[in-house]
Amino acid sequence: GAGVSQSPSNKVTEKGKDVELRCDPISGHTALYWYRQSLGQGLEFLIYFQGNSAPDKSGLPSDRFSAERTGGSVSTLTIQRTQQEDSAVYLCASNVLQGTGELFFGEGSRLTVL
Amino acid sequence: AQSVTQPDIHITVSEGASLELRCNYSYGATPYLFWYVQSPGQGLQLLLKYFSGDTLVQGIKGFEAEFKRSQSSFNLRKPSVHWSDAAEYFCAGLSNDYKLSFGAGTTVTVRA
Repeated sequence: GAGVSQSPSNKVTEKGKDVELRCDPISGHTALYWYRQSLGQGLEFLIYFQGNSAPDKSGLPSDRFSAERTGGSVSTLTIQRTQQEDSAVYLCASNVLQGTGELFFGEGSRLTVL
Repeated sequence: AQSVTQPDIHITVSEGASLELRCNYSYGATPYLFWYVQSPGQGLQLLLKYFSGDTLVQGIKGFEAEFKRSQSSFNLRKPSVHWSDAAEYFCAGLSNDYKLSFGAGTTVTVRA
C-alpha cells in the first residue's frame, strides 16, 4: 500500500480482555517496528522485526505482550489480560533497510482499557 | 545508555517568529540523529536526519538542524513559524542495535 496501515484505529476494551492490533507495512519494507506512546510520554520501543531474523523483543514490557509477523509482511501485536496501564497509542513503523532510521509510521491504534 | 533528551516539554511561539527546539544526545562516535513531527491526529513524519558530513542539515517544511559534537546537541530550527507548525516534535537517535530511541517530545503552540 501507499503507507503503513494500522487497525483498529481505536479500541476500547475491558480490563482482563485480550486485544490484537494489526499493522500492514509498506510493501517491500523488510523492517517493522512497534512503539507505544502513552499520554505525555515519548515513544517507547517495543519490538522490531527484520526479514527472517529473530525479532528483537527487548522492549516488550511484560510477558502479556507478544507480536508476530507473518510472511515477512503483516504484523500483529497481542496484549493478553489487558490492564489499565496498557492504555496508549500503539504505533507501527516500517523501513526498507535496517539501520537507516528512516521509519515510516502508521497513524496508530489507540487502546483504552476500562 | 544511548539516548536523546528534549529539555523543553512545551514551547509557545508567535506566528512569524523563529523557533528552536533543543535536543541533547548521549551516543558514542558519530550518532545517527533524526527529527520527527507529529501533527494532531496524524502519524509521525521525518523532518530531517543527520548521519555524517555537513553539520547543518536541511529538512522539509523549512526546518533545519545543526549537529554540535562539542555540545552533544542536535537542535531544530525554523526562521519563521507558520500556524501549521503547531505539533509535537520528537528528536530520535539510532543505537548500535538499530533501535530508534525517541525523546519525550516538545509540543509547539503557535499563537496568532
